[in-house]
Amino acid sequence: DTAVSQTPKYLVTQMGNDKSIKCEQNLGHDTMYWYKQDSKKFLKIMFSYNNKELIINETVPNRFSPKSPDKAHLNLHINSLELGDSAVYFCASSQTGSNSPLHFGNGTRLTVT
Amino acid sequence: AQTVTQSQPEMSVQEAETVTLSCTYDTSESDYYLFWYKQPPSRQMILVIRQEAYKQQNATENRFSVNFQKAAKSFSLKISDSQLGDAAMYFCAYRSPNFGNEKLTFGTGTRLTIIP
Repeated sequence: DTAVSQTPKYLVTQMGNDKSIKCEQNLGHDTMYWYKQDSKKFLKIMFSYNNKELIINETVPNRFSPKSPDKAHLNLHINSLELGDSAVYFCASSQTGSNSPLHFGNGTRLTVT
Repeated sequence: AQTVTQSQPEMSVQEAETVTLSCTYDTSESDYYLFWYKQPPSRQMILVIRQEAYKQQNATENRFSVNFQKAAKSFSLKISDSQLGDAAMYFCAYRSPNFGNEKLTFGTGTRLTIIP
């Protein structure tokens, strides 16, 4: 059983397009995250949701819009894709109020041409 | 804001030898959690080991152990009996216990190469 699954694994698209990445966790966690890993492998938080409510929103362009229909799902929609959006996007989940680590999905490699 | 620094962009070690990866962090919080994650070429993020700041005892997981120095804000990872499968990027990460700030803040990573 995959704990945190995200789709698709690879996404190649042209500048200006709109795309979505989906994430689901079956760990029963109440918090989910989106991280961006750039070409230098640096991982940076983008968003965090707790029980469907946005609690962390780092400095991310408005073109990025997360949506959490329930606490097991957190999707990421990106409008008007730019070359600089090319990266690996990781979804993760954890449980609030404990030392529980973040459990990561396998990442989505987004390439914008 | 918390910061995490990994000063070794790359390290290499002979198979079966021991290697230590360095990590320092900056925080004003007294309680927090520290983690080491491993990212092999498959890009999967794998938890290696975790440490609670209130625990003085250093965490150990099989061949992996940490040297946690709270006063010095240092959290190094020791890998004993290095194996080829240990080759990966290793990330040190800090997590606040405070609700609303429970994200992981990562260091820039250390690429570990195992020499056969």
